Amino acid sequence: DAKTTQPPSMDCAEGRAANLPCNHSTISGNEYVYWYRQIHSQGPQYIIHGLKNNETNEMASLIITEDRKSSTLILPHATLRDTAVYYCIVRTTGANSKLTFGKGITLSVRP
Amino acid sequence: DSGVTQTPKHLITATGQRVTLRCSPRSGDLSVYWYQQSLDQGLQFLIQYYNGEERAKGNILERFSAQQFPDLHSELNLSSLELGDSALYFCASSPLQGTGELFFGEGSRLTVL
Repeated sequence: DAKTTQPPSMDCAEGRAANLPCNHSTISGNEYVYWYRQIHSQGPQYIIHGLKNNETNEMASLIITEDRKSSTLILPHATLRDTAVYYCIVRTTGANSKLTFGKGITLSVRP
Repeated sequence: DSGVTQTPKHLITATGQRVTLRCSPRSGDLSVYWYQQSLDQGLQFLIQYYNGEERAKGNILERFSAQQFPDLHSELNLSSLELGDSALYFCASSPLQGTGELFFGEGSRLTVL
């Protein structure tokens, strides 16, 4: 699976949009981009995933560039409860494909 | 609540001992995954089972073993424990083999003294 690069941390103000970047320049055609988050030692939580089209669900939006070498997770109205480590993961859909977590980006939402 | 149940939540034991961590997946989920999270290593994939069969193996030590039972619950056995085995152990489940949408439990925190 392709490697991802994320800044170590970022912050945003409560109520504003949080835009979390991820680089995956070696992504191949059959690899999906997944986002998870982990709130303070709780179990990781699935957020969203996509292949090449932009995706939106009740939690977030995922914007993938046309060349698929980078993506952005958008939390439209960040709250204090969104403070967490966010993991960007690239993965194929094979039956034995693993979900490999990197260091992630720590998002701090300030009041 | 993800629907994945892990027991025990906390466990303190001594070096050289053996422990068993238990995971009940979400109802209907056939795949179970085990992850280890320590302070210096982050989240590390250990092993995956699908409907009772081992499907993928990660950085699992030989002192560790796992299995998935016919009722789909899974157990992770850790033996000859060392101080470095202190970590959070997470179980996750998913309904399919190939999906990357996993549902994680709240973890079992193991402390080896």
